[in-house]
Formats: sequence, C-alpha cells, structure tokens
Amino acid sequence: SAVISQKPSRDICQRGTSLTIQCQVDSQVTMMFWYRQQPGQSLTLIATANQGSEATYESGFVIDKFPISRPNLTFSTLTVSNMSPEDSSIYLCSVSAGGDEQYFGPGTRLTVT
Amino acid sequence: KQEVTQIPAALSVPEGENLVLNCSFTDSAIYNLQWFRQDPGKGLTSLLLIQSSQREQTSGRLNASLDKSSGRSTLYIAASQPGDSATYLCAFLSGTYKYIFGTGTRLKVLA
Repeated sequence: SAVISQKPSRDICQRGTSLTIQCQVDSQVTMMFWYRQQPGQSLTLIATANQGSEATYESGFVIDKFPISRPNLTFSTLTVSNMSPEDSSIYLCSVSAGGDEQYFGPGTRLTVT
Repeated sequence: KQEVTQIPAALSVPEGENLVLNCSFTDSAIYNLQWFRQDPGKGLTSLLLIQSSQREQTSGRLNASLDKSSGRSTLYIAASQPGDSATYLCAFLSGTYKYIFGTGTRLKVLA
C-alpha cells in the first residue's frame, strides 16, 4: 500500500492568483496522477506525472494552466494558475502500487472567489 | 469513448439491509477494476481491487464481482450500517493505463 499526504488540505483563493498543491508519498513510485473533482461530479484525470519526464496532460488540460513538477519518486506538485471560480474543485493526487492498485491522497479543497 | 455508469445514483436504506451497487463499463479490455469509498469532502479509500483474471474479491462485509464479457461489476454490502454512508465509486484501468471513474452511488444508511 501507499500513504499519501497533500498540502494544503483546503484553501480559499482570489481570482487571478495561483495555488501550488503538494503531494508526498511514503514510498517510491513511478507514476503519480493528478485528478480534479468538481462539485457533485466524479473524478477527471488532469495529467500523469513520471519522474524525469514531462507530465502527460489529458484532453482539455494544458501545462500553462496546470504546471506539474515531479522532482523525485516520492513528491509532486500541481499548480493551478490564473484561477477563476470554475477552478473551484477538489484536487487529488494518486499513485499506483503493487498490482496496479490505486491509492489517493486526502485531497485539496479549493474555492476561488 | 470509454464510459463507466453506476446505478443507482443515490440510495437510502434502513440499517441492516443487504445492498447491491452496480457498475457498467463499455470497454471490455480492462486490466483491473477497483471500488472506492469517498466521504464528503474527502479523498478516496480503496475498498477492493479485482484483477482482470479474477471474478470476485471479498473483504469483510464487502464482496465485489467482475464480469468482463457483460461489462459489469457489482459491489455487495452485507448488513449495512450507518457508517457505510458515503459515495461509492468504481474505476477501471484501461488499455492506455489510465483509470476511468464511474459517476458514483451516494449511499445513506439510516439508523
């Protein structure tokens, strides 16, 4: 299994600003994933982050809006840039461990005013 | 487009009932299927993982089955308790190594 922590747990931000979310895993993992969960919705994959390479973004998500860093095998950050109220969501990071079982962090609840 | 549908969308039952939550998917070429629980405003907790070669998995009062040929998985909850109240999500690992999530079932177990 994997234990994942995220910072911050929640934040209220003003329109036009940026927020960086940190994700820390208690073991080394190859792939980390970032998801967005808009209010009342299911999870949507933003990007896959592999250590030592550029993140791979899903359709509808771009690097300028959601830059991702993956400096080592236990840590990643997601930045939500130039925020608007539509970015208000829960942002979750996850990893795949043995047997491709996926584990999630507790999430970051973002509100943009 | 791969889609995952969960039925019902919401369910309210008295304590002690046995429940069946349904998950259907359009892509039969899956690597595994995983069931999660999500409490309001929280992250996801993994409940059960079924590999593509398996047909079911059990953990305590939970049993999940997988039928790839029909594109269905079910989560069976025995003797439901108020603490089981949460949203239950299914997700499958696709051939492109991405997890595709279902729409979720919001469960409320009444004391």
